[in-house]
Amino acid sequence: SQQGEEDPQALSIQEGENATMNCSYKTSINNLQWYRQNSGRGLVHLILIRSNEREKHSGRLRVTLDTSKKSSSLLITASRAADTASYFCATGFGSGGYNKLIFGAGTRLAVHP
Amino acid sequence: GAVVSQHPSWVICKSGTSVKIECRSLDFQATTMFWYRQFPKQSLMLMATSNEGSKATYEQGVEKDKFLINHASLTLSTLTVTSAHPEDSSFYICSAGSWDIEEGYSNQPQHFGDGTRLSIL
Repeated sequence: SQQGEEDPQALSIQEGENATMNCSYKTSINNLQWYRQNSGRGLVHLILIRSNEREKHSGRLRVTLDTSKKSSSLLITASRAADTASYFCATGFGSGGYNKLIFGAGTRLAVHP
Repeated sequence: GAVVSQHPSWVICKSGTSVKIECRSLDFQATTMFWYRQFPKQSLMLMATSNEGSKATYEQGVEKDKFLINHASLTLSTLTVTSAHPEDSSFYICSAGSWDIEEGYSNQPQHFGDGTRLSIL
């Protein structure tokens, strides 16, 4: 089964509002990553947060990680119509040279002008 | 930097045909490439992991004889869907990563291709 679950499954907001997406996972991880996918396209990496980090920022994005609760959140501030996409969290784990990613179910974000 | 090119972007073919999808890292050497499958409005499911010069590691439930993976160089991995049938129709996405030998595992993001939409008639 998939490692992570995300909520909400869908989120509809107005431009300028903040969007918060949550992700939970089940087992120990090396890191947690957030990706964005526009319809019918590949994934674009947004932020990677390591298991020993609690918060990370990148532009309008803020990610938190709580390993005791096995959860993470992605906050997009001052959203724009161009932020409309699906957002996936992915937990990275493994050893011996590579990091497998297990993806959550994703949140479909719609930002209305 | 870190561009991954996937080709073709769209394939429509008859049942029974074998289809090859290429994944290339254009500006970096990818020690590891991953292949995912995605159904409409669903998440990505990891199919297999391929390391350059060695056999691919398949996830549970993925038929290795059905989905042949070759990673002949540090910049190219191919996925061949053999004798494809309508149930193989899906969106296939590759990604490439590299690992830091000092860390022992990668804390770097994966870089994704744009995906291949496969439709089997």
